[in-house]
Amino acid sequence: AQKITQTQPGMFVQEKEAVTLDCTYDTSDPSYGLFWYKQPSSGEMIFLIYQGSYDQQNATEGRYSLNFQKARKSANLVISASQLGDSAMYFCAMREAGGTGANNLFFGTGTRLTVIP
Amino acid sequence: NAGVTQTPKFQVLKTGQSMTLQCAQDMNHNSMYWYRQDPGMGLRLIYYSASEGTTDKGEVPNGYNVSRLNKREFSLRLESAAPSQTSVYFCASSARTGRENTIYFGEGSWLTVV
Repeated sequence: AQKITQTQPGMFVQEKEAVTLDCTYDTSDPSYGLFWYKQPSSGEMIFLIYQGSYDQQNATEGRYSLNFQKARKSANLVISASQLGDSAMYFCAMREAGGTGANNLFFGTGTRLTVIP
Repeated sequence: NAGVTQTPKFQVLKTGQSMTLQCAQDMNHNSMYWYRQDPGMGLRLIYYSASEGTTDKGEVPNGYNVSRLNKREFSLRLESAAPSQTSVYFCASSARTGRENTIYFGEGSWLTVV
């Protein structure tokens, strides 16, 4: 079974608007970490935000916030006030606490975000 | 800030040729990784090194070998390249393994096998 599912292959957002990128995950490990990465057209993978499974509050980093709904196993990325430079692929990923899952970061297939001027 | 540096950035190989991708990190991280990224897919783990002196297989290790040369360096070798190994390769590192340790990536190496 897929550990990370991103159901939106592509998303469009108007500049200065907010956008939510969906991510659901599957794990039986009670302890895990959730990550979002940005991959611009130049190809590098840029770390954006982290949420631990025991964190009580949703993580925020500047214009990025993670809408963590543990019971629904979802970890959606919210980008506020979109900028043209936000156009990129966005990957959700998960790392488990134990076993082989601790040594790996499981990725979704990504969502391509396009910001429209 | 260099972070994770990998070379070469681009390479074209003929089927059957061998090559080594080099990777170094300057963040004093214990754990290092090699991933590949194929179109329409997320990154998949090839090999990792949890700490200096250890290496282990990831999801897709066939056709690859690795060497953890020291704490800073982790190389990936293709002994006999195949067209199926055409991909973008990412080296990465983290302070250690475990759920809370963020993995930081290099800029990627584009490999084409013809």
